[in-house]
Amino acid sequence: GAVVSQHPSWVICKSGTSVKIECRSLDFQATTMFWYRQFPKQSLMLMATSNEGSKATYEQGVEKDKFLINHASLTLSTLTVTSAHPEDSSFYICSAGRGVTNEKLFFGSGTQLSVL
Amino acid sequence: KQEVTQIPAALSVPEGENLVLNCSFTDSAIYNLQWFRQDPGKGLTSLLLIQSSQREQTSGRLNASLDKSSGRSTLYIAASQPGDSATYLCAVDLDDMRFGAGTRLTVKP
Repeated sequence: GAVVSQHPSWVICKSGTSVKIECRSLDFQATTMFWYRQFPKQSLMLMATSNEGSKATYEQGVEKDKFLINHASLTLSTLTVTSAHPEDSSFYICSAGRGVTNEKLFFGSGTQLSVL
Repeated sequence: KQEVTQIPAALSVPEGENLVLNCSFTDSAIYNLQWFRQDPGKGLTSLLLIQSSQREQTSGRLNASLDKSSGRSTLYIAASQPGDSATYLCAVDLDDMRFGAGTRLTVKP
């Protein structure tokens, strides 16, 4: 089956630094990738939709200058948390869509970000 | 390794029917279980979140139950409508999130 690799699985960083999270579709081309965030004991929330070769579409309330998304190829999307602060500490997960209408989603294993 | 299974893979019902979607998981030591909806071409929309200490959650016409000991959850949709047509996914949260493959629901007018 299709595999989505997300890296790193966990990261600890100092406040003010930037952190990049990668999401790769290993055996299929993903025109669209989705980024989610989950705070402890809360639901997974969609942050943005990333389309290859174009600007990401951010959900309301998500700062695009804070969370930079680059979908430079059909197999790779990156999420960069810029100037991270402790309130950015969260679980981030990506998914890649397969099919014309992304009817099949495959998920990465997630990244736990802790900002000190 | 946690495995999440959803049955059925696809379901087609006439409008107005009540229906049940099933989700099973192999490791009962979960933090929570979530049900999501995915519309074509879109990301996930969270429907219900059940913490490990809870047995069920309700939102409008949706009711989700959780039986950790048996590794099962059900999503009950009452009085289905064509607008309910979508793919429904369940996900369990342990050390990471594991998703089922989804149930593709079609509600016919």
